[in-house]
Amino acid sequence: EVQILETGGGLVKPGGSLRLSCATSGFNFNDYFMHWVRQAPGNGLEWVAEVRNKNNNYATYYAASVKGRFTISRDDSKSSVYLQVSSLRAEDTAIYYCTRGQPGAWFAYWGQGTLVTVSS
Amino acid sequence: DVVLTQTPVAQPVTLGDQASISCRSSQSLVHSNGNTYLEWYLQKPGQSPQLLIFKVSNRFSGVPDRFIGSGSGSDFTLKISRVEPEDLGVYYCFQATHDPLTFGSGTKLEIK
Repeated sequence: EVQILETGGGLVKPGGSLRLSCATSGFNFNDYFMHWVRQAPGNGLEWVAEVRNKNNNYATYYAASVKGRFTISRDDSKSSVYLQVSSLRAEDTAIYYCTRGQPGAWFAYWGQGTLVTVSS
Repeated sequence: DVVLTQTPVAQPVTLGDQASISCRSSQSLVHSNGNTYLEWYLQKPGQSPQLLIFKVSNRFSGVPDRFIGSGSGSDFTLKISRVEPEDLGVYYCFQATHDPLTFGSGTKLEIK
């Protein structure tokens, strides 16, 4: 069974940083691209970042709204993906979901999310 | 960026009836490889989103055949026949043909 568990959210002041972690199990992590998707309170969904697998040179991609401030990475030995979020703004307040795709589909499996609140 | 416009914003429905949600794209979602990467997600209250449909009309594992995705180019529809209580929530369309990846703004399926 595919399992995805995000941790690391919390309350942070504007300009601050956090490192979100996503631990996975139940599948061969090395084979898959991984993504972060976020949802601001009461709002819709926004794709944030993608990290591809070793066969695709661990290429990374970002939404324009976070590029230069957020960094996605992965550790295949730990079946985990990370999102370093920096220079945080109030508009970054959201639930951050870690997701995994499958051939032909981008977000087939989701974690329960971790809440990041940016407030002074 | 590709803009996905979902209508209606809210869809009141009687249990057992059919519901239909439209997703229109600001540009064609046909990829240069011939595939159309249009997906549908359902977010039930208090839960993470879940994948329903990928590549326009393919049901994800475990999704009932009451959910039917259709469409082409820039015009897509999700039909839910015989709506059941567990179908209630917010439906999002999503495209992965063009960068950046984008979601529609959502359609809330609610009891009439």
